Amino acid sequence: AQKVTQAQTEISVVEKEDVTLDCVYETRDTTYYLFWYKQPPSGELVFLIRRNSFDEQNEISGRYSWNFQKSTSSFNFTITASQVVDSAVYFCALSEARQGGKLIFGQGTELSVKP
Amino acid sequence: DAGITQSPRHKVTETGTPVTLRCHQTENHRYMYWYRQDPGHGLRLIHYSYGVKDTDKGEVSDGYSVSRSKTEDFLLTLESATSSQTSVYFCAISDSTLAGVTGELFFGEGSRLTVL
Repeated sequence: AQKVTQAQTEISVVEKEDVTLDCVYETRDTTYYLFWYKQPPSGELVFLIRRNSFDEQNEISGRYSWNFQKSTSSFNFTITASQVVDSAVYFCALSEARQGGKLIFGQGTELSVKP
Repeated sequence: DAGITQSPRHKVTETGTPVTLRCHQTENHRYMYWYRQDPGHGLRLIHYSYGVKDTDKGEVSDGYSVSRSKTEDFLLTLESATSSQTSVYFCAISDSTLAGVTGELFFGEGSRLTVL
């Protein structure tokens, strides 16, 4: 069965600190996709990244970076030099290729960045 | 931004009453989904559609039905609302153009439903 676990329910940091959000997944498929979404206090869901299971290259986008490790079934998300605007709930999600676009979400991690 | 509109955005209803939530898209995407968001559970898939009149159940489909008579509209119906269906409901769309490739999901703004 497929499952996504975000063990950190809440994280609180002070502005400019680096913070890593953990995501561990379970799947039996060899072809799958991993996602991160951001949900700011306004409530909408914002797509951040999609990664397929054959691409373990880490990705960096500005202050955001993602570390994908198949050996540990993890897809962690790091924010460097956090800002107050980064305060949001972050969701990790998994989709198996044979399941089409159906995403399985983790429980979410609420990040609070204090000035 | 993807053109997805959910209506109503907020609704308060009583137990036992029927409720219909509407998702309208202007992107002509093939796939549409209904998710519910609850504290401690993240988002869970209720139903999805892969084309007009083609729908299937998700993880938490009990108590819900859906219909898709046009590409642009996907309706979620609670035949007899219960307090356990109090939640925030999100519609999502995607356009996977390659077989087996999961495309990015674009989400609507959500509909907050309270069942008293």
